[in-house]
Amino acid sequence: DVKVTQSSRYLVKRTGEKVFLECVQDMDHENMFWYRQDPGLGLRLIYFSYDVKMKEKGDIPEGYSVSREKKERFSLILESASTNQTSMYLCASIPGQANYGYTFGSGTRLTVV
Amino acid sequence: EDQVTQSPEALRLQEGESSSLNCSYTVSGLRGLFWYRQDPGKGPEFLFTLYSAGEEKEKERLKATLTKKESFLHITAPKPEDSATYLCAVQINYGQNFVFGPGTRLSVLP
Repeated sequence: DVKVTQSSRYLVKRTGEKVFLECVQDMDHENMFWYRQDPGLGLRLIYFSYDVKMKEKGDIPEGYSVSREKKERFSLILESASTNQTSMYLCASIPGQANYGYTFGSGTRLTVV
Repeated sequence: EDQVTQSPEALRLQEGESSSLNCSYTVSGLRGLFWYRQDPGKGPEFLFTLYSAGEEKEKERLKATLTKKESFLHITAPKPEDSATYLCAVQINYGQNFVFGPGTRLSVLP
């Protein structure tokens, strides 16, 4: 069964900490995405990547960065966590050319205190 | 600006009571419209892709339809296990990323 795995289901971090959220997919997909999901705001795209070492800003990249050193792994980095980054973070991937739906990970619920 | 809206925000049905969810979109170029189901505390799960007006897809009690401006997710004789949030998303011509609607939270009561 194909999978997108996010390393943590729940995280609690302190304001100002550097936070790493990890995502790994086993489907050899070219494209990977990071979203955050908040009540009333839906899913908002933070960053995405079309290929190894490639990255593109989404709609809300401020306060975040990403790293894609290997095809299967896409990391989201919160450089200095703030309370307004408390959210559900979802990683997703799709193949390069086909119009498939995303495969999502189970999500990481991050609380910044 | 590309935009996707969904209605209603929340819907409560009795078991067996059929209904429809709406997804309306205003986008510069549609490559595809996607429906997802999301259970609490989990990531969305892909249901359907629709590519052109008039297209329909079915899966168990769900049927998705597409017009030039909107899509409907029809739920026939729903069961409590159909309770979830249903998200629609459009894929825009210029990229692989999607614009998501806010979702409809469906509750089916036994």
